[in-house]
Order: sequence, then C-alpha cells, then structure tokens
Amino acid sequence: EVQLLESGGGLVQPGGSLRLSCAASGFTFNGHAMNWVRQAPGKGLEWVSAISGVGDSKYYADSVKGRFTISRDNSKNMLYLQMNSLRAEDTALYYCARDRSPMAAISQDYWGQGTLVTVSS
Amino acid sequence: DIQMTQSPSSLSASVGDRVTITCQASQDIRNYLNWYQQKPGKAPKLLIYDASNLETGVPSRFSGGGSGTDFTLTISSLQPEDIATYYCQQYDNLPLTFGGGTKVEIK
Repeated sequence: EVQLLESGGGLVQPGGSLRLSCAASGFTFNGHAMNWVRQAPGKGLEWVSAISGVGDSKYYADSVKGRFTISRDNSKNMLYLQMNSLRAEDTALYYCARDRSPMAAISQDYWGQGTLVTVSS
Repeated sequence: DIQMTQSPSSLSASVGDRVTITCQASQDIRNYLNWYQQKPGKAPKLLIYDASNLETGVPSRFSGGGSGTDFTLTISSLQPEDIATYYCQQYDNLPLTFGGGTKVEIK
C-alpha cells in the first residue's frame, strides 16, 4: 500500500525558514517523480515544486523560485522541501504527492494528508 | 503560465442526475489534462488522466473528454458520495496549473 506521510509544518514568523519532510513507503521510491502541492485555507490547489525520480531535475512555481528547495534521499525514501524567506502568502496545507512519471510532473496519483504551514507574526 | 478556467464554480444537482463540469485552457494543451476530486477535509484524488483515461478504481460513472483547449468531466448518475470539489489540471507546460475548482452539492 502506497503511503505518504508529511511532517515539519508549524507556525513561523515572516522571513523565517521551515523544512518539510515526506516519508514514502509501499512503492519503488526512485521510480517516481515527487511533487509538493499546497492549498491555502479555503482556497484551491497550487502546484509548488517537483523533482525527478533520481533527483537530477527540479522544477518550481515562480511564486517560490529562489526561496524553496526541493530534494530527496532515495536511500531513505524521503522527500523534502526547504522553505526560506517565508511570507504570509505561503500559509497553506502542503501536500506531498507521488507522480505517475519517473521523470517529470504529469499526474499526481497518490497524496499524503498534508502538513500545515502558518506564516504569521 | 497556462490559465485553467472551470465552470461552473458550484452546482447543485439531485441524486441520479447527469452532471457536467467544463474546463478551458488558455492555450492548446493537447490532451494533457487531469481531473481530481477533493472531498471535505481530505487530500485530492486523481480521477482521470490524459483527459479521458479513468484512474484504476474510479467508478465508471465518471468520464472525461475533450482536447486542445476545451474539456469536460461528466458524472453520469450523481451519487451522494460524489459530493466534493473537482479540479482540472494541465501538464502540457510547467508550471502545472489547476482550475479554480467546482463544488458539487446534492439538491
């Protein structure tokens, strides 16, 4: 059974940093690209970032480029999102999502339950 | 970025009704479109990929169609468990972009 479990969310002040983690199990982790997708309270879905299965290609939304860094450790079946220079508009539930493709972001077929990030003073 | 416009933003229908949601892309995205279902308090679930391919385990009352810029998601016979918000998503170009969502309620 595919499982994705996010952690690392919390309350952080504007300008601060946070590192999200996603523990994956139940599938061949390096065989799938992985994504972060966020959802602000009461709002729609926004794709944030993706990384290829072997970790050599990374993609970002313009809204986070230069501030967020996606990475993965295939030896530990872990996905990460390092978030720096956080802003109030980054407040959201952050989902880790597996991609159907090993290479790029196309379709997210399994999702975790999300971890909440709140940016506020 | 490619803009995805869904309509309607919400709808109310009776159990057994045929429901259709539309999604329009700001440019040609071929058939590179997904549909997701999100129930209240839950993570999204992939329903349809490549515009018309049903994800494994999804009931056959769901179907997708279209190509280019205009797409549809149809529920042939609405069931109480279909109450959710539905999102389209294009993957022809990065960044991936979602439509604004369509909230489906039971009348």
